[in-house]
Amino acid sequence: SAVISQKPSRDICQRGTSLTIQCQVDSQVTMMFWYRQQPGQSLTLIATANQGSEATYESGFVIDKFPISRPNLTFSTLTVSNMSPEDSSIYLCSVGEQGLGANVLTFGAGSRLTVL
Amino acid sequence: AQKITQTQPGMFVQEKEAVTLDCTYDTSDPSYGLFWYKQPSSGEMIFLIYQGSYDQQNATEGRYSLNFQKARKSANLVISASQLGDSAMYFCAMRWAGYSTLTFGKGTMLLVSP
Repeated sequence: SAVISQKPSRDICQRGTSLTIQCQVDSQVTMMFWYRQQPGQSLTLIATANQGSEATYESGFVIDKFPISRPNLTFSTLTVSNMSPEDSSIYLCSVGEQGLGANVLTFGAGSRLTVL
Repeated sequence: AQKITQTQPGMFVQEKEAVTLDCTYDTSDPSYGLFWYKQPSSGEMIFLIYQGSYDQQNATEGRYSLNFQKARKSANLVISASQLGDSAMYFCAMRWAGYSTLTFGKGTMLLVSP
């Protein structure tokens, strides 16, 4: 299965700053997905990142707050802008690949952000 | 409405016993897929098992099996012979036809004791 590397693995950020999370995949993939997991909560899809086009955002998430880049088929970034403590979460990058008869989502190890 | 529900916030089991984690879903679409993921305290999401809505047999992967009851709209995960390393958060997830992404339930925390 695909190997996904995310950086940073964790960070402590100050309110009002922005942080960019990088996601590198060891194979070319069409779609990459960014999820957020707030403390003690489930995963919520932020957006789908397609190479060569604008990301598609889910309800409640906007490009100004979570700009995404997808410069090629193996790489994407998610920026969390103007952070507040409510943005403290794990942010996970994922890709879909065929396995066991289904298109399975494979996840990176996540980026754990704490905003003070 | 399309929805996925895990009603057990936490479950406790002794080592070597079997445990069932519940998952129910709501959809009117005939085509969908059901997934289970494990999230240890380190945070990564590990794919465990998949069941397609048209699959006749219940899925099994090693110690994991999926008790799929289509009429009841349930897809419970059964872990046999629990091990200490099974202690983690478990998420049920669903993909509806025409969608590339997964929608996750709230998760169940499983603690396995010696």
